[in-house]
Amino acid sequence: GAVVSQHPSWVICKSGTSVKIECRSLDFQATTMFWYRQFPKQSLMLMATSNEGSKATYEQGVEKDKFLINHASLTLSTLTVTSAHPEDSSFYICSAPLPTGVKNQPQHFGDGTRLSIL
Amino acid sequence: AQSVAQPEDQVNVAEGNPLTVKCTYSVSGNPYLFWYVQYPNRGLQFLLKYITGDNLVKGSYGFEAEFNKSQTSFHLKKPSALVSDSALYFCAVRDDSGNTPLVFGKGTRLSVIA
Repeated sequence: GAVVSQHPSWVICKSGTSVKIECRSLDFQATTMFWYRQFPKQSLMLMATSNEGSKATYEQGVEKDKFLINHASLTLSTLTVTSAHPEDSSFYICSAPLPTGVKNQPQHFGDGTRLSIL
Repeated sequence: AQSVAQPEDQVNVAEGNPLTVKCTYSVSGNPYLFWYVQYPNRGLQFLLKYITGDNLVKGSYGFEAEFNKSQTSFHLKKPSALVSDSALYFCAVRDDSGNTPLVFGKGTRLSVIA
């Protein structure tokens, strides 16, 4: 069964709206989670690394004020797209690696969130 | 810096024929290599991984991959393709330094034709 739950799976909203996406690790604690963005027919691009208890680490070119990340607990990270515009429309996917000490295990991915800004 | 190359955007194969999806990588240190599959509007599903040991790795749904250190390749293979294998396949790598994120190839779309 799924080990990472992502919600919502699909969002359609007006330009200027802020949208929150949740990523939860199920049955394990994730001190680190990763947020990716995927454009149509393209690969996954890492946006940021979410760290429980500290600030997220953003990749170059990703606006931290636009994409707010909060790692509220050991099982929950949220990505908020603030004042979304049509160019923010994309597929957002989170992943959570299993705890340190099991580092050879694959990262598990949520089912993704399709964000469409009108 | 780590990188992954998937040279083919699209691979077409007839049902029942063997399939290969190519992947080459670049990483400092020992590579941890992964294959994932993505169906439309879904997240990524893990297929298989290479960490160490036997160069031929067997994974889910009959897929396997061969690690070739000299050619820095990790091609995905299946002896007999199914129509249901049609999907987007991603090769990914990370180094062995800890809880680092995966670096993905651009993906290869596999179409299996009945």
